[in-house]
Amino acid sequence: NAGVTQTPKFQVLKTGQSMTLQCAQDMNHEYMSWYRQDPGMGLRLIHYSVGAGITDQGEVPNGYNVSRSTTEDFPLRLLSAAPSQTSVYFCASSYRASGSYEQYFGPGTRLTVT
Amino acid sequence: AQSVAQPEDQVNVAEGNPLTVKCTYSVSGNPYLFWYVQYPNRGLQFLLKYITGDNLVKGSYGFEAEFNKSQTSFHLKKPSALVSDSALYFCAVSFSGYSTLTFGKGTMLLVSP
Repeated sequence: NAGVTQTPKFQVLKTGQSMTLQCAQDMNHEYMSWYRQDPGMGLRLIHYSVGAGITDQGEVPNGYNVSRSTTEDFPLRLLSAAPSQTSVYFCASSYRASGSYEQYFGPGTRLTVT
Repeated sequence: AQSVAQPEDQVNVAEGNPLTVKCTYSVSGNPYLFWYVQYPNRGLQFLLKYITGDNLVKGSYGFEAEFNKSQTSFHLKKPSALVSDSALYFCAVSFSGYSTLTFGKGTMLLVSP
């Protein structure tokens, strides 16, 4: 299994541009999430999905859209990039095990908005 | 609202010495607690978790953590640090029925030779 894959690894955008960060998992996990990591702030939840066709907002959803048309894919769309969205983005998938959810993280996408 | 605090931005320890990375949480109900490690330019790797049962949890790479309900703490420990343990460590909390995590800000562990 490839696990959780993310593309691209690096991206530079200009303010106002839009783009989609791709995330895919081949473990048939029902749950997927997007987090952003900023220095001194840990990881913060952007959006998550509990199954195909079901998504919900996390702690910092503004400026981002998601959809989940298949179990495998969970793309994150930046509608109009802003410098405040410069960050490292991690996608995670999870399944329920022993009463909790085992989270598997992708390698991340480093985004710079100029 | 649930929250996780990691009071130390950085922990310095000499190789061979014991290490502790602190984590406290503020939640209502019974939390699920996790530790993750991040090496430079890498994703997060799972170390260990506490769900229920024995308060001392053993995880990967010789790490362990102790759940203390009265002090609302879940400190990460290792008896003998290695230089290769140098990394960024995150404590996280979740609850039964929730598939997402709330993370602390992270603690950089630096182990000197």
